[in-house]
Amino acid sequence: GAVVSQHPSWVICKSGTSVKIECRSLDFQATTMFWYRQFPKQSLMLMATSNEGSKATYEQGVEKDKFLINHASLTLSTLTVTSAHPEDSSFYICSATGGGGRGTGELFFGEGSRLTVL
Amino acid sequence: QKEVEQDPGPLSVPEGAIVSLNCTYSNSAFQYFMWYRQYSRKGPELLMYTYSSGNKEDGRFTAQVDKSSKYISLFIRDSQPSDSATYLCAMSAHQGGKLIFGQGTELSVKP
Repeated sequence: GAVVSQHPSWVICKSGTSVKIECRSLDFQATTMFWYRQFPKQSLMLMATSNEGSKATYEQGVEKDKFLINHASLTLSTLTVTSAHPEDSSFYICSATGGGGRGTGELFFGEGSRLTVL
Repeated sequence: QKEVEQDPGPLSVPEGAIVSLNCTYSNSAFQYFMWYRQYSRKGPELLMYTYSSGNKEDGRFTAQVDKSSKYISLFIRDSQPSDSATYLCAMSAHQGGKLIFGQGTELSVKP
């Protein structure tokens, strides 16, 4: 199956610093990528949807100036958490679709990136 | 009211048991229904995919969708310890579109 790779898988940073998380589709062109956030024992909450070459669409309540999303190519999207604070500590997961997969527009998920802000 | 409701569990069963996981939803526009399995500290992996109402079977897993009741189920037969994970239902109105997830049910299968 298709592979979506996230990097880093975990990161610890100091409060006030910025952290960038990369999401790459390794064997298909991802026309759309989604970024999710997941707190312990809770569901995935969609943060934003990004289409290659255009601005991301953010969900209500998600600060676009704090969570910068760039989808500059068909295989790479990045999420930058700016001026991170302890409350931003979470598990961030990306998913990607190329409109194909099993003919379902299947979403392929990355392994997730765990952010801890001290 | 959440768009998708799922009992978070945790659910503990003995090895070999039949497991039933369920979700209810409120948005009648949902047409595509999925079940994902998520191991601790990992991304979700797709288990089952169903379009509209009906049943789908894949090995030990059976997914059922009842759109009239806005209710979906996942059955796991002959459960194994390796099935221990969190199971998330998800649904969308459009193919490849925005997915709305349930809270996830934590399942533990004891040897």
